[in-house]
Amino acid sequence: AQKVTQAQTEISVVEKEDVTLDCVYETRDTTYYLFWYKQPPSGELVFLIRRNSFDEQNEISGRYSWNFQKSTSSFNFTITASQVVDSAVYFCALGGGYNKLIFGAGTRLAVHP
Amino acid sequence: EAGVTQFPSHSVIEKGQTVTLRCDPISGHDNLYWYRRVMGKEIKFLLHFVKESKQDESGMPNNRFLAERTGGTYSTLKVQPAELEDSGVYFCASSQGPVVDTQYFGPGTRLTVL
Repeated sequence: AQKVTQAQTEISVVEKEDVTLDCVYETRDTTYYLFWYKQPPSGELVFLIRRNSFDEQNEISGRYSWNFQKSTSSFNFTITASQVVDSAVYFCALGGGYNKLIFGAGTRLAVHP
Repeated sequence: EAGVTQFPSHSVIEKGQTVTLRCDPISGHDNLYWYRRVMGKEIKFLLHFVKESKQDESGMPNNRFLAERTGGTYSTLKVQPAELEDSGVYFCASSQGPVVDTQYFGPGTRLTVL
């Protein structure tokens, strides 16, 4: 069975702190895709990143970085020098051969000034 | 380029009534998905269209839910009759490719059944 676990329900940090959001996945597929989405207070789901199972290179985009480790089935997301605008719910998702996404429960991040 | 749009943004109905949600995908995207998030739980897959055909409707909860995508463009999701447990946020997403491709989501429709 496919499953995504985001163990952190809520995280609260002060601006400029670094924060890591954890994501652990389960799948029997050899080819799969991992995603992170951001849901700001306005409600829409904003695509952040997509990684396929063959590419374990870490990725950095500005203050955002992602650490994909197949050995531990994890795809963690780090925000460096957090800002108030980063406050949102972040979802990790797993995609397999049938295109549907399996989402984690989400992590609510609150960044305080 | 316009993103995925959904209408209405909010809907409040009484138990037993009918509600129809609409989704307009990104132009040129053949794949259209419906998901919902109930009571702060995980976002769950409902169904997947490829053009006008239902590719996978394994997530549809019961026969009170009917999804259509006439002409392979916009899609509607009808709930008839609505029950209290149908309350939640209904998201629509679309993607371009035939294999797992990035799904772009709409803003969602918040449905409240009283």
